[in-house]
Amino acid sequence: NAGVTQTPKFQVLKTGQSMTLQCAQDMNHNSMYWYRQDPGMGLRLIYYSASEGTTDKGEVPNGYNVSRLNKREFSLRLESAAPSQTSVYFCASSDGTDQPQHFGDGTRLSIL
Amino acid sequence: QKEVEQNSGPLSVPEGAIASLNCTYSDRGSQSFFWYRQYSGKSPELIMFIYSNGDKEDGRFTAQLNKASQYVSLLIRDSQPSDSATYLCAVRDDKIIFGKGTRLHILP
Repeated sequence: NAGVTQTPKFQVLKTGQSMTLQCAQDMNHNSMYWYRQDPGMGLRLIYYSASEGTTDKGEVPNGYNVSRLNKREFSLRLESAAPSQTSVYFCASSDGTDQPQHFGDGTRLSIL
Repeated sequence: QKEVEQNSGPLSVPEGAIASLNCTYSDRGSQSFFWYRQYSGKSPELIMFIYSNGDKEDGRFTAQLNKASQYVSLLIRDSQPSDSATYLCAVRDDKIIFGKGTRLHILP
């Protein structure tokens, strides 16, 4: 039982490149989330998917797109990476949006 | 702007003592409250969640919620060096908002 799996774990991009971060969960959870965590800023919600087929913006959605591919998978895409998007990205899932979330190990993304 | 406030710390507590972590939130409509622990370089892991006013205990951890005063706290009894971490408070009404966390240091 892997829980929430994120790939890749580390990535370095150049400004303007595109990239998709992958997230999959095996807990049959309905809701999935993408966060970024920056020093001194805490966890900030980028996008979430309350259930399969729906996605909604969080606190900091600009520069990102998401796809809820199926119940298990929720991907985050950077179309044109910017240095301000250098961060640690966490994916999480929960049974419902009012339920505790389970986090993946994170993706450390650097944009030069 | 909905906010969740935590003292950034560090909060230093002697081993074996009670650590008290506090969190205040701005939205009176908030319904769900969570405490996560995050070790340096690791992902957050759930410690406690609470939905109703009052206390909820789980082992050495107690979550306390006071909706009228808009605060939620986490007590850690018999603090151990392994409790040294950053503790994140999260509050949900329509969306979940995390506080910036309190760094806790347990002194051996």
